[in-house]
Amino acid sequence: EPEVTQTPSHQVTQMGQEVILRCVPISNHLYFYWYRQILGQKVEFLVSFYNNEISEKSEIFDDQFSVERPDGSNFTLKIRSTKLEDSAMYFCASSGGLAGGQETQYFGPGTRLLVL
Amino acid sequence: KQEVTQIPAALSVPEGENLVLNCSFTDSAIYNLQWFRQDPGKGLTSLLLIQSSQREQTSGRLNASLDKSSGRSTLYIAASQPGDSATYLCAVKDFNKFYFGSGTKLNVKP
Repeated sequence: EPEVTQTPSHQVTQMGQEVILRCVPISNHLYFYWYRQILGQKVEFLVSFYNNEISEKSEIFDDQFSVERPDGSNFTLKIRSTKLEDSAMYFCASSGGLAGGQETQYFGPGTRLLVL
Repeated sequence: KQEVTQIPAALSVPEGENLVLNCSFTDSAIYNLQWFRQDPGKGLTSLLLIQSSQREQTSGRLNASLDKSSGRSTLYIAASQPGDSATYLCAVKDFNKFYFGSGTKLNVKP
């Protein structure tokens, strides 16, 4: 069964460093998403991406964040200068993309980011 | 801003019981609602997706209902099993943003 994969599973970084989180969505999916979940808190929407551009972003997704689909398979989230409060589990998801994107989202296993 | 609330926060039941998990949202103008399960330290697994025009969806022992006008959804689990133990999350799509509840942590005792 197709699945969303994410690398790395864990990342430890120093405050102020740049990190890139990688995701391989399900191959025929058209919509891609990033979420984060701070330990003990709700899953929070960061950004959705369609047709090589951001379709929606939350208030959390400020200038420190960027997303890219560098090739036909990878979808990346870059945090330019990490802060302590960026420590969280980051989930990538994808969906098939019927009109309006009203389809089931499939999540990857997550990348646990720890900023020291 | 959309707020999603789930009740109860935790639930412990003996194996075999039927149970209901509740999800409420503040703005009824949603596109869809999705139920997920999350196992400790893992990603989210989609259980059911209900479009805004639908009232319920079923998959095996799971049945989810949606009442948009009252801002509520319920997830019914029949004949619960220890393998159902997990945290259950509901999420609504509001325009192009997604809002999650805090989840209901379910423990099914053998």
